[in-house]
Amino acid sequence: NAGVTQTPKFQVLKTGQSMTLQCAQDMNHNSMYWYRQDPGMGLRLIYYSASEGTTDKGEVPNGYNVSRLNKREFSLRLESAAPSQTSVYFCASRHREYEQYFGPGTRLTVT
Amino acid sequence: QKEVEQNSGPLSVPEGAIASLNCTYSDRGSQSFFWYRQYSGKSPELIMFIYSNGDKEDGRFTAQLNKASQYVSLLIRDSQPSDSATYLCAVRPNDYKLSFGAGTTVTVRA
Repeated sequence: NAGVTQTPKFQVLKTGQSMTLQCAQDMNHNSMYWYRQDPGMGLRLIYYSASEGTTDKGEVPNGYNVSRLNKREFSLRLESAAPSQTSVYFCASRHREYEQYFGPGTRLTVT
Repeated sequence: QKEVEQNSGPLSVPEGAIASLNCTYSDRGSQSFFWYRQYSGKSPELIMFIYSNGDKEDGRFTAQLNKASQYVSLLIRDSQPSDSATYLCAVRPNDYKLSFGAGTTVTVRA
């Protein structure tokens, strides 16, 4: 099993550009999550999907949209990137009885 | 008030010593508590979870929970240089979400 995979690993955007971060899991987990991690701030939840077909806002959803494409895939879209969105983005997944497993992360810089 | 608070450190301990990490949380209804380890440039990995008051031991790690005081701790015995990392405390206030602390950075001196 690959676990949780994320693409791309690194990305540099200019202000105003858009992009989609991809996440996939092969563990048949129901719930999936997107976090951002900034120095001194810990992990902050952007959006989550408790099950296929549902999505909900987390702590810091402004400037982002998500799509739960199917049970395996959960994408995060930045429609108009801003320098404040420079961060490391982690996707995670979880089955009911287990805890969250994280992908390797995407390091995004917005100039 | 942040939902989960940790001392940011850095916490420096000599090899072989005990490292003690502390965490407090605000939601008294929280039922599940976790410790994740994160090496620099890597993703968090789960090392301990605890649901009941008291101590839970797994190898060199011991998690301690006191729900009345809303306090969780992690002890690392016989600290090794490979334990140098950031340790994230996480609390589950509802069924789907985890709230994370900012993390405590631990450095083990050889």
